[in-house]
Amino acid sequence: DTGVSQNPRHKITKRGQNVTFRCDPISEHNRLYWYRQTLGQGPEFLTYFQNEAQLEKSRLLSDRFSAERPKGSFSTLEIQRTEQGDSAMYLCASSPNRVETLAGNTIYFGEGSWLTVV
Amino acid sequence: AQTVTQSQPEMSVQEAETVTLSCTYDTSESNYYLFWYKQPPSRQMILVIRQEAYKQQNATENRFSVNFQKAAKSFSLKISDSQLGDTAMYFCAFMKPPGNTPLVFGKGTRLSVIA
Repeated sequence: DTGVSQNPRHKITKRGQNVTFRCDPISEHNRLYWYRQTLGQGPEFLTYFQNEAQLEKSRLLSDRFSAERPKGSFSTLEIQRTEQGDSAMYLCASSPNRVETLAGNTIYFGEGSWLTVV
Repeated sequence: AQTVTQSQPEMSVQEAETVTLSCTYDTSESNYYLFWYKQPPSRQMILVIRQEAYKQQNATENRFSVNFQKAAKSFSLKISDSQLGDTAMYFCAFMKPPGNTPLVFGKGTRLSVIA
């Protein structure tokens, strides 16, 4: 399977602990996105990368959150000093960034990483 | 900032019938991209259909089609011959130019297909 891969799929952590999620995008997709989704809501944008460069960060991405894509391939999203309000599904997505075609503008999602903070 | 509104939190349809999900958006851009994604109970977001704003012709993908009304900023999804596997959350999403920019999602419509 060459889709977007995320792990771990589920993480339960105690409040105050740090957690890290990993995302492997579709091969040759140079844009990578992180979203957060809570139950019954649509995904909310967190941040995105063009290769290793972080292009934009949402106001939702507090200073406890950090995302990296060091070699322009996989990405990590770290949450420090977790709070109960961080409980959500964290979605990663990628796109090929070929703006000349509609397919080149389509974003493909992974299965998500569920975080429960207790 | 762009916003996307899905005014139907929940809908249901009988198997084999047709259902239309509504979506409106707000933007000052003249060219952009619109998408419908499906999220079944297994939770992975799957692309259903996509449309470029400068194309007048409505997109179709098998049983799925859209009614794109640019002046009204409306982008509804029609599902024909509904199947039990169509049961899912459906999200309308907007992408601003030049493309490959982050999607802005609506809150979703939960669709139940009833046997």
